[in-house]
Amino acid sequence: DVKVTQSSRYLVKRTGEKVFLECVQDMDHENMFWYRQDPGLGLRLIYFSYDVKMKEKGDIPEGYSVSREKKERFSLILESASTNQTSMYLCASNSPLPAADEQFFGPGTRLTVL
Amino acid sequence: SQQGEEDPQALSIQEGENATMNCSYKTSINNLQWYRQNSGRGLVHLILIRSNEREKHSGRLRVTLDTSKKSSSLLITASRAADTASYFCATVPGGDYKLSFGAGTTVTVRA
Repeated sequence: DVKVTQSSRYLVKRTGEKVFLECVQDMDHENMFWYRQDPGLGLRLIYFSYDVKMKEKGDIPEGYSVSREKKERFSLILESASTNQTSMYLCASNSPLPAADEQFFGPGTRLTVL
Repeated sequence: SQQGEEDPQALSIQEGENATMNCSYKTSINNLQWYRQNSGRGLVHLILIRSNEREKHSGRLRVTLDTSKKSSSLLITASRAADTASYFCATVPGGDYKLSFGAGTTVTVRA
């Protein structure tokens, strides 16, 4: 079974802190994704990576950066956390071919920024 | 940007009844997928229907796709308490490879 794990289920940080959210997948998937989920808005794509060291901006990249140094690991970085980044963050992965098929999700990290 | 939009936003049914939810989208698609999310958890893929398919079944799930109306429906038959969850449709616009999710339908199955 595909497994996508995220480093924390719950995280509380202070405004201005640098925050790292880690995601690891064990199925050798090329593609990895970071989404944020807010009530009434569904999931919105923050960043996407299709290979090691490759990244592409999603719909809402402002205030975030990512790192993909190893194939299995995709990190989301909040350079200076703000209260409007309080949200549920979901990581996902899939294979590139076909690129647009099923994504496998991690359990999510609920981040609160005070 | 969001392409899919689910309807209704919330649904409450009795155990054993069928649940139907709809998804409308704006542009042509490669495929449409449905996901389930139990409270506070990650999403689980349920079913994928490609643009050249009209209907697909998986266990108690039935999905239809009408590309002329740009809409899809998900039917859950003989619902169980364990079906209580949020259901999301996700579309892959033609020429793209990224999923675009709707805001979801929250289904509550009463015992």
